[in-house]
This record gives sequence, structure tokens and C-alpha cells, in this order.
Amino acid sequence: QKEVEQNSGPLSVPEGAIASLNCTYSDRGSQSFFWYRQYSGKSPELIMFIYSNGDKEDGRFTAQLNKASQYVSLLIRDSQPSDSATYLCAVNGGLGGADGLTFGKGTHLIIQP
Amino acid sequence: EAGVVQSPRYKIIEKKQPVAFWCNPISGHNTLYWYLQNLGQGPELLIRYENEEAVDDSQLPKDRFSAERLKGVDSTLKIQPAELGDSAVYLCASSSEAGGVGEQFFGPGTRLTVL
Repeated sequence: QKEVEQNSGPLSVPEGAIASLNCTYSDRGSQSFFWYRQYSGKSPELIMFIYSNGDKEDGRFTAQLNKASQYVSLLIRDSQPSDSATYLCAVNGGLGGADGLTFGKGTHLIIQP
Repeated sequence: EAGVVQSPRYKIIEKKQPVAFWCNPISGHNTLYWYLQNLGQGPELLIRYENEEAVDDSQLPKDRFSAERLKGVDSTLKIQPAELGDSAVYLCASSSEAGGVGEQFFGPGTRLTVL
């Protein structure tokens, strides 16, 4: 059974600092990796996806993937109070990417003003 | 572009009663998912549709849950009878068949409370 592990937190980071969120996964055949942000009472929204080893940057967000270590991370630079949310790591094992996602429990991030 | 639409947004029922949730995916998205999310947990896949075909329903508790996607567009998820442990948020998501990396778009969810 596929497993995705995240530290549930809360992770507290001062405003303007770098927030680092980590995720490990069990299925070596996993193809695609996603970070979703979920505000309290809201549905998940996609922040970034990555499917190749290395780094992928989008604005203040950088996703990092290391398939050999089965490890995915998300860095948030210049953290803002509006970044306070739960961040869900999700893994997709299907070719073509249309399988259901396996989610971690999420990390609760708090950005302190 | 309209997003994924779900209704109702909230539902309160007594145990042993039936309940149904409805989802309208993003136009042109052939793949539709139903997830269940408990408080403090990540979403868990219940069923995946490719057009009108349920291609993965291994996590759907078939003794009380059922789903359909007639004509490959809207979908309905039903619980009969509901149990106390079914209280959760039920999320619908959709993706385009040619999504490549499988980006999924979530609806606002239906929060079910079973008393």
C-alpha cells in the first residue's frame, strides 16, 4: 500500500523567513509529485507539481525531488502570513498521471508576523 | 472557466438515513474522482472515473456506498445507510485525460455530519 509521510507540525516560521516542508513516500514507482495548500474549511488547491529529480521554482515556491531517497520538499521563500495553511504532499503512481493521488496527512504551517 | 461544482455544501442527517452528493466537473475533464477527508487527515480516494467507467473503486465501501457517472459528466455519490463514522468532507476532483502530470482540480466539498 502506498504511503506518504509528513510531519503534521505545527511548523512555526517567522515572516520573511524560508519555510521548509518535507515529505517521504513509499512507492518507488511513483511518477508525479504534488504540493497542495489547504486553508481551514477550504478544499485543496495545487501549488506545484514536479516529476523530475532536482528543483523546480515558481515564484516564491521551490519544489525539490529526490527519487533515490524517495523524498520531496517544498520551500517557501519570504514567507507571508497568508502562507499559513496546511500543506499536503501527494503522490501519483500512474503512467500518464491520471491515477488517484495518495495524500499525506499534511503539515500545518504557521507564519508568525 | 468554471471550477468543479459540488452540492450540497453541507448536510446533516441522522444515522441510518440515506444521503447523496452531486458533482459537476470542469468542462472537458474526462477523469473524475471522489475523495473522503477526515479532520486532520489528507484526502483519501474513494473512486475514480474515466468518462462513465469506474476504473478504480477498490477503496469504496460497497456495502453502503455507491456512485454513478451517467453520460460521463456529472457524478453522484450515495451512502445508504449512513453511519456515525461517515461524518467527513466529501471532495470531488477532476482532471483532463491528457493531463500528463495528473493535475487535479478540487471542488469545495460537501461536509457531512451524521448524528
